[in-house]
Amino acid sequence: AQSVTQLDSHVSVSEGTPVLLRCNYSSSYSPSLFWYVQHPNKGLQLLLKYTSAATLVKGINGFEAEFKKSETSFHLTKPSAHMSDAAEYFCVGGGGYNKLIFGAGTRLAVHP
Amino acid sequence: DAGVIQSPRHEVTEMGQEVTLRCKPISGHNSLFWYRQTMMRGLELLIYFNNNVPIDDSGMPEDRFSAKMPNASFSTLKIQPSEPRDSAVYFCASRTSGEETQYFGPGTRLLVL
Repeated sequence: AQSVTQLDSHVSVSEGTPVLLRCNYSSSYSPSLFWYVQHPNKGLQLLLKYTSAATLVKGINGFEAEFKKSETSFHLTKPSAHMSDAAEYFCVGGGGYNKLIFGAGTRLAVHP
Repeated sequence: DAGVIQSPRHEVTEMGQEVTLRCKPISGHNSLFWYRQTMMRGLELLIYFNNNVPIDDSGMPEDRFSAKMPNASFSTLKIQPSEPRDSAVYFCASRTSGEETQYFGPGTRLLVL
């Protein structure tokens, strides 16, 4: 069975410093993987997705993620955090054609 | 494109009342998903439709919950009777065939007193 594990429930960074949100997956096949962001009182917005075309995936708002099969990881990074990046981030796996498997979420706080 | 539209955005009701949540998927999308988000359980898939037909409703909590999709542009999620433990944010999402990416609506925040 496929599963997605977000290793940190909370991450706190200072504005202008790098962001790293960690995600590991388990799958018996090459997965589709996504990162979604949820700002307070908003819906989920797609940041980026991996579908095996390229291991380094660039998304919106300066975020990117690298698929590492040897580590079964799909960590989300951004070189320089902005205050507006404060939100909850979900790592999501494609759990078969019709279902998404959600991680528990990582709440990112950005301090001035 | 207007994106996925949900209404109402907020709903406050009393225990025992009927609640109806509405969703309009993105035009051209043929799959629709209803999710529930709570602090305790995170995001849970309740039910999904493909071409207006319910495919998997195994996530629907109990008989008090029902969902319909009478046409390609409209779906409802009904709770009757509502209970305080149903308080949550309910999201609707849609996607097109051949794509795994789901596009989410803004959610309906439900509070049952």
